[in-house]
Amino acid sequence: GQQLNQSPQSMFIQEGEDVSMNCTSSSIFNTWLWYKQDPGEGPVLLIALYKAGELTSNGRLTAQFGITRKDSFLNISASIPSDVGIYFCAGPSTYSGNTPLVFGKGTRLSVIA
Amino acid sequence: DAGVTQSPTHLIKTRGQQVTLRCSPKSGHDTVSWYQQALGQGPQFIFQYYEEEERQRGNFPDRFSGHQFPNYSSELNVNALLLGDSALYLCASSLLRLAGADTQYFGPGTRLTVL
Repeated sequence: GQQLNQSPQSMFIQEGEDVSMNCTSSSIFNTWLWYKQDPGEGPVLLIALYKAGELTSNGRLTAQFGITRKDSFLNISASIPSDVGIYFCAGPSTYSGNTPLVFGKGTRLSVIA
Repeated sequence: DAGVTQSPTHLIKTRGQQVTLRCSPKSGHDTVSWYQQALGQGPQFIFQYYEEEERQRGNFPDRFSGHQFPNYSSELNVNALLLGDSALYLCASSLLRLAGADTQYFGPGTRLTVL
């Protein structure tokens, strides 16, 4: 089945630093999604990408849909303490509507003030 | 506008018992999907309900079953609990006619511990 590999597994950074994480797949995705999950909460959608090569920003967050359609990355600029959490990449398991999502294992981000 | 709600928040059961988890979708949504998230892992799709029927199913045994009610709320039932069923169970709601993968909204989850 489809698998999403995220790296790094965890990161410890200083407040104010930029962060970069990525996600690769063994198969092509037509949509890439990036979620953030805080402790005790469900995942919250940060950015959705729909076209190969697309670069999308949401405040300090920027994500890109890889040209090969098998990868995506997420950048966070000027990190702040509230950026702490687990970041997941995800994609639809099929091309049909309202399809279930496949998730990576996540990148755990810790920010040191 | 209420988001996705789940109950209970936490639950402790013993092996062999049965459990029922509940989900109320976001207002206006008609489709409910359930995911299992083991510690240190991403969510894994269990099944999806629409019009009170199971529409799609992931790779989970028959011990996992569900139900959707006329008001679109849903239940997840797990029979003969195993230690490995300990996880955060997430409910996600969406509107079927909106085909985009980005239209699922997740609830806060139910943390199930099996002893």
